[in-house]
Amino acid sequence: GQNIDQPTEMTATEGAIVQINCTYQTSGFNGLFWYQQHAGEAPTFLSYNVLDGLEEKGRFSSFLSRSKGYSYLLLKELQMKDSASYLCAVRVSSNDYKLSFGAGTTVTVRA
Amino acid sequence: SQTIHQWPATLVQPVGSPLSLECTVEGTSNPNLYWYRQAAGRGLQLLFYSVGIGQISSEVPQNLSASRPQDRQFILSSKKLLLSDSGFYLCAWSVPGQEKETQYFGPGTRLLVL
Repeated sequence: GQNIDQPTEMTATEGAIVQINCTYQTSGFNGLFWYQQHAGEAPTFLSYNVLDGLEEKGRFSSFLSRSKGYSYLLLKELQMKDSASYLCAVRVSSNDYKLSFGAGTTVTVRA
Repeated sequence: SQTIHQWPATLVQPVGSPLSLECTVEGTSNPNLYWYRQAAGRGLQLLFYSVGIGQISSEVPQNLSASRPQDRQFILSSKKLLLSDSGFYLCAWSVPGQEKETQYFGPGTRLLVL
């Protein structure tokens, strides 16, 4: 099976920075995705990494190290609306389109 | 632009009853389609995916089945629901052949089996 691990919960203060880590042990690797999911809603796409390094998109950045099987999602200048679950997902094979998801990290932003 | 619809939004069904959930995608052709289930507090579990009409791959053995009668229609069914079938069912689509091939999710169906 594929193992994708994330912390279950994190809490941070409005305006602060939070880093959500994701480690993976999979039979292959062909890209890593981060999704945001508000309670009761569908996941929405945030970022994609396939090469090592940092991808920045506004207040959100995602980092990948393939040799370490490690990624993080960095949320800067936290806002109350950032309270959500953040899902890490790995595409294991280049021959199909399936994603393996971690259980998600619930981030709570406090005033 | 592309949109994805799922219905119903919420469903309460007794154990042993049948199930039919529908997903349709607009604004794209020949999408790859996926059914996921998310149990409370757990990650997304891929149930089925389809790369074309009538082509269904099953990821986990279960009492659910899927069908793709039209290019942009994906249906999840069961003949007899179990309590363990309760969860949040999400349909997703992607454009095949792109490097990222990002999956985009529909609004989901919340199913409660009693």
